[in-house]
Amino acid sequence: DIQMTQSPSSLSASVGDRVTITCRASQSISTYLNWYQQRPGKAPKLLIYTASTLQSGVPSRFSGSGSGTDFSLTISSLQPEDFATYYCQQSYNTLIFTFGPGTKVDFK
Amino acid sequence: QVQLVQSGAEVKKPGSSVKVSCKASGGTFSSYTMNWVRQAPGQGLEWMGGIIPIFGPANYAQKFQGRVTITADKSTNTAYMELSSLRSEDTAVYYCARSVSVFGSGTPMGSYFDFWGQGTLVSVSS
Repeated sequence: DIQMTQSPSSLSASVGDRVTITCRASQSISTYLNWYQQRPGKAPKLLIYTASTLQSGVPSRFSGSGSGTDFSLTISSLQPEDFATYYCQQSYNTLIFTFGPGTKVDFK
Repeated sequence: QVQLVQSGAEVKKPGSSVKVSCKASGGTFSSYTMNWVRQAPGQGLEWMGGIIPIFGPANYAQKFQGRVTITADKSTNTAYMELSSLRSEDTAVYYCARSVSVFGSGTPMGSYFDFWGQGTLVSVSS
């Protein structure tokens, strides 16, 4: 099975900061990589799919990049509503989806 | 707009089974994959399995093979997840989530989970 790792596991930041989260796959997954945001007590929300395509309605301050095994999610200017946990997910193997362990973004 | 509405919270004894439902509205139910994802308290997301209602049998994560059964009723646009031999470690919020396949120039480019249910808390305790 494809394993996903994320770094850091948590980070502290301030409103307006530029934040980057990385995700690594245990084997090449091309651009079959999605990013989700989860606020406490809520279901996850899709932010980005196929590594860099912004889901409709998601603010443009979110961006994704990468291919192969290394990916990143960047928030260009952190807003109060962005304090949440972020998960990457591989869909290279559509029979078995795998999520990364998550990165929690909280207030500095 | 697609909506996925799940059944209510459950409290179960160890060794018993639980069946959670997920009713879809506002979209074409049968031709999308309906997945189940769980989240233990304070933990990450764990994909359990999925089913495409028009094709039938479900696909499961190795960890849950033999213990989970995912089904779908096309007549009511409802997906079900049944987990048996419950233990305390199964205490979690269980989500259903629709996945959509992406194609580029006719070539598959993966899938993503675009709509999620509100989650169902299953508590396992003696």
